[in-house]
Amino acid sequence: AQSVAQPEDQVNVAEGNPLTVKCTYSVSGNPYLFWYVQYPNRGLQFLLKYITGDNLVKGSYGFEAEFNKSQTSFHLKKPSALVSDSALYFCAVREGSGTYKYIFGTGTRLKVLA
Amino acid sequence: DGGITQSPKYLFRKEGQNVTLSCEQNLNHDAMYWYRQDPGQGLRLIYYSQIVNDFQKGDIAEGYSVSREKKESFPLTVTSAQKNPTAFYLCASRQVGDTQYFGPGTRLTVL
Repeated sequence: AQSVAQPEDQVNVAEGNPLTVKCTYSVSGNPYLFWYVQYPNRGLQFLLKYITGDNLVKGSYGFEAEFNKSQTSFHLKKPSALVSDSALYFCAVREGSGTYKYIFGTGTRLKVLA
Repeated sequence: DGGITQSPKYLFRKEGQNVTLSCEQNLNHDAMYWYRQDPGQGLRLIYYSQIVNDFQKGDIAEGYSVSREKKESFPLTVTSAQKNPTAFYLCASRQVGDTQYFGPGTRLTVL
């Protein structure tokens, strides 16, 4: 069965330091992977996606993600964290090549400390 | 101004009552989705629709119903059969290429 895991409920990082939010997946076939961000009491906003191509994907607001097929991971990264990056981050995977259903992780709360 | 709107922002339901959550989009997207968000559980798919007049059950469809009579609209009804409806409900639409666009959400509370 397809699945996605975010092993950390919360990540704390100091402002200006690099940040990493982890995601691992399990799918049959080629993975379609996504990162979304949610601010309090708001809907999700798309950050970036990996469908095919370069393993390093660049997205919105200076975020990037590294696809690693051997480790089945798709970690979200940013070189220098901002306090305004504090939010809930979701990794998602498309359930299969023949469907447009998506499985979301449980979310990781990022807290950037001033 | 393109986007997805959900109404109401807050909704209160009494025991045994059916309530309907509205979702409208003007992005001209064919596909629309309803998710339920509970703390610590991420998003779970309730129903989705790939095209007008067609929809499929998601992982937690019991106690919910939908309709898709217009491309722009995908209302969700929470019926009295849904025993634990208190949650944050998110509607999304999808463009070609997999990116989903989410509405601002409706917070439903059972009184």
